[in-house]
Amino acid sequence: GDSVTQMEGPVTLSEEAFLTINCTYTATGYPSLFWYVQYPGEGLQLLLKATKADDKGSNKGFEATYRKETTSFHLEKGSVQVSDSAVYFCALSGEGRRALTFGSGTRLQVQP
Amino acid sequence: DGGITQSPKYLFRKEGQNVTLSCEQNLNHDAMYWYRQDPGQGLRLIYYSQIVNDFQKGDIAEGYSVSREKKESFPLTVTSAQKNPTAFYLCASSRTSGRGTDTQYFGPGTRLTVL
Repeated sequence: GDSVTQMEGPVTLSEEAFLTINCTYTATGYPSLFWYVQYPGEGLQLLLKATKADDKGSNKGFEATYRKETTSFHLEKGSVQVSDSAVYFCALSGEGRRALTFGSGTRLQVQP
Repeated sequence: DGGITQSPKYLFRKEGQNVTLSCEQNLNHDAMYWYRQDPGQGLRLIYYSQIVNDFQKGDIAEGYSVSREKKESFPLTVTSAQKNPTAFYLCASSRTSGRGTDTQYFGPGTRLTVL
C-alpha cells in the first residue's frame, strides 16, 4: 500500500537558518503530494501541494518539488522564523484513494 | 466565513460510554473524512464519505461509527468497543472531482480523553 516516510524530529534551528525536511513516498501511479502544518492544539493547515512530476509547490517562503525519479517531496525554506515552529506533515493522495496517507510528522523548533 | 467546525474542543468520557463528536462544514464539499492522531504519529483514516447517505471504512474503523444524513454534517461516534479511544480527532472535507488532487481542509480537532 501507499506510505510516506519523513525524517524524525525534532529539528532545532536558529532563526534565519536554512530548513530541509525530507519526505519520501511509496505509491503506485502518480499520487498528489502535500505538506501540511500543525500549530500546537490546532488542526492541520495546507502549506503547499504538487500534483504532477516536476511541479514545485510554494507558499510563505516554503518550497517543495515533486521528484518522481527519487520518489521525494522535500520541504525547504531559506530563512526560518520563530513563528515557523510547528509540526510538519508530508502526505499523499494516491490513485483510486481520495483519503490522505500521512507521514509521522516532523517537529520544527526555531530558536531566536 | 467558510470552514469546518468541530465540537467540543475537549471531551472526557468514562470507560464503557459511547460519545459522539460533531463535524460541520459550510464549504459545500461533497467528501468528508475522520482521522485519528496519536502523540508523535501521523494521522490515520477512520471513515470517509463521498456523498450523502454513503460512507466507507478507513484503516482503523473498528470501534467507531458514522452517519452522513446531511451534506454539511458527518458525526463520529466512538463506541465502548474502541479499546484505546484517547486521541486527537480531526475532521476534514474536500470537493470530489474524482481525482486525488483535491485539497482536504481540516477542522480544529477534538481531544478525547477516557477517564
